[in-house]
Amino acid sequence: EVQLVETGGGLIQPGGSLRLSCAASGFIVNRSYMSWVRQAPGKGLEWVSVIYSGGSTFYADSVMGRFTISRDKSKNTLYLQMNSLRADDTGVYYCTRGSVAGDEGADYWGQGTPVTVSS
Amino acid sequence: QPGLTQPRSASGTPGQRVTISCSGSSSNIGSNYVYWYQQLPGTAPKLLIYKNNQRPSGVPDRFSGSKSGTSASLAISGLRSEDEADYYCASWDDIMSGPGMFGGGTKVTVL
Repeated sequence: EVQLVETGGGLIQPGGSLRLSCAASGFIVNRSYMSWVRQAPGKGLEWVSVIYSGGSTFYADSVMGRFTISRDKSKNTLYLQMNSLRADDTGVYYCTRGSVAGDEGADYWGQGTPVTVSS
Repeated sequence: QPGLTQPRSASGTPGQRVTISCSGSSSNIGSNYVYWYQQLPGTAPKLLIYKNNQRPSGVPDRFSGSKSGTSASLAISGLRSEDEADYYCASWDDIMSGPGMFGGGTKVTVL
């Protein structure tokens, strides 16, 4: 059974850093496209980043240069390193298996981890 | 302002057919696949349609997707109370965001 479990969210001051983790089971992260999607309170979905099975990475303009997506083969885990956090980064962060608009889509989602950027 | 435009809301009575539109441009819908996601209240999104009109295993055939030119549609036939949710279209954009762009979402209400 495929499962994705995000951890690492919390309350952080503006300018701070957080690292989100997404532990996967039931499939191999390194052989899959993996994405991060976020949702601000009461707002719609926003694609954040994707890492392809070959290792290529892409980012939304809003997080380019501040966020880094990566993966650990030995832990079968996806990460999102978030630096220079701003208030508008606040929201629930979901990891997904697959690309939201590529191939067969994001077919599995985690439960999400909340991030609040506030002083 | 998202590059994919959806109506903010749609509604119908049980058993009716409801259609949600997603309007884009030649750099996204016009040259790439469209995907649809359903988000029930308080839950993570779920993939409903991929590659314009393909349903993942387990998605009822009441849900169907189509695309024409720079627009796409999601149709829900035989509307049920459990279909009350937010629905998002998504597509790749060759100019703007690249691998991921969502529409603003449509809230479907079952009257």
